[in-house]
Amino acid sequence: QLQLQESGPGLVKPSETLSLTCSVSGGSFSSSSHYWGWIRQPPGKGLEWIGSIFYTGSTYYNPSLKRRVTMSEDTSKNQFSLKLTSVTAADTAVYYCARTGTPSGVAFDIWGQGTMVTVSS
Amino acid sequence: EIVLTQSPGTLSLSPGERATLSCRASQSVSSSYLAWYQQKPGQAPRLLIYGASTRATGIPDRFSGSGSGTDFTLTISRLEPEDFAVYYCQQYGSSLWTFGQGTKVEIK
Repeated sequence: QLQLQESGPGLVKPSETLSLTCSVSGGSFSSSSHYWGWIRQPPGKGLEWIGSIFYTGSTYYNPSLKRRVTMSEDTSKNQFSLKLTSVTAADTAVYYCARTGTPSGVAFDIWGQGTMVTVSS
Repeated sequence: EIVLTQSPGTLSLSPGERATLSCRASQSVSSSYLAWYQQKPGQAPRLLIYGASTRATGIPDRFSGSGSGTDFTLTISRLEPEDFAVYYCQQYGSSLWTFGQGTKVEIK
């Protein structure tokens, strides 16, 4: 069964770059017809979609974050990554990676457990 | 960008009661692209419904989704103790995903 696991620093300083990786196990990132996404949740708040990467490598970003976000893939490691630049305290959140499925289409049917990232000096 | 507005913000009900959650979109959404998730404290969201009305694998039939266009509904026919949680709707359109702000279903 496919599983996702987020990894990366739990503490990032203001103005620096947040970097997270999602490792895919039990399946292949390169499997067809899937979007792989990043979603975040500030403490006590709702879900915010950050961006998605298609298995072809095409990327799609939340317009409100687009200027600061880059997503990439490493098929050799079965991973995909998130970089968010110029972070502030407002970027403090639990960051989830997730995958859309078949037959759920564009709904995220598999999620990682999430990783808390705090932006603080 | 399509905005999803969920109501009510909080729903206070007793086990065994029926829960009706609303999700209204600022523009028409394809039914194929409307989903509902459940989230419990400290857990990742879990997909309940996709395509507006299709239950995801393993989801009990007390959960049902309906609606089209700009108005969608998640119904829990009889609340079980494990159903008290926060519920989010989500849509996809023009290569963008958006979530509603959530409805909390709490024990009355």
